[in-house]
Amino acid sequence: GQNIDQPTEMTATEGAIVQINCTYQTSGFNGLFWYQQHAGEAPTFLSYNVLDGLEEKGRFSSFLSRSKGYSYLLLKELQMKDSASYLCAVRDSNYQLIWGAGTKLIIKP
Amino acid sequence: ETGVTQTPRHLVMGMTNKKSLKCEQHLGHNAMYWYKQSAKKPLELMFVYSLEERVENNSVPSRFSPECPNSSHLFLHLHTLQPEDSALYLCASSQEFGTPSYEQYFGPGTRLTVT
Repeated sequence: GQNIDQPTEMTATEGAIVQINCTYQTSGFNGLFWYQQHAGEAPTFLSYNVLDGLEEKGRFSSFLSRSKGYSYLLLKELQMKDSASYLCAVRDSNYQLIWGAGTKLIIKP
Repeated sequence: ETGVTQTPRHLVMGMTNKKSLKCEQHLGHNAMYWYKQSAKKPLELMFVYSLEERVENNSVPSRFSPECPNSSHLFLHLHTLQPEDSALYLCASSQEFGTPSYEQYFGPGTRLTVT
């Protein structure tokens, strides 16, 4: 079966750095997405990785290792508004998106 | 503003009711999706439409019936639902279906409660 694993919940401090991990086992691989979802709101696109390595976008970076079936989302200089759920999704060989259950990130002052 | 709107935002219905969820995208996209989101569970893809043709139907019960009259509008018709169908129903669109890098744009969802 296909599976995406990510921690259920994480807590971090304002101004700090946090890394949210995602491991996957899918039928084929056509890229990995990270989305942010604030409570009661729509998921919004953060990043897309298809090649190994680190992609940086301002305070957010996303890393991919295809050989390890592993990705992480790195958030720097955390702000209170970063409190949200972070969803990892992998596009499989049939171009379907397989989703993780999301990681709820709680930022404390 | 993501360019994808959904109505209603909240819906409470009895098990014998019939209701419809509406989604509209203002992005000129060719693909539209219905997802079910339950607490602490992964998003479940229900239906995919590409250029108004259904391309995916992931073993969804027949009490859910989609309709895509044009590439900007998507409906989900509901009838004789069960309490376990209570969830957040999300609509999404993407530029095309089948291109790996195209991200999906989501609407705010309809919070459905079946009593």
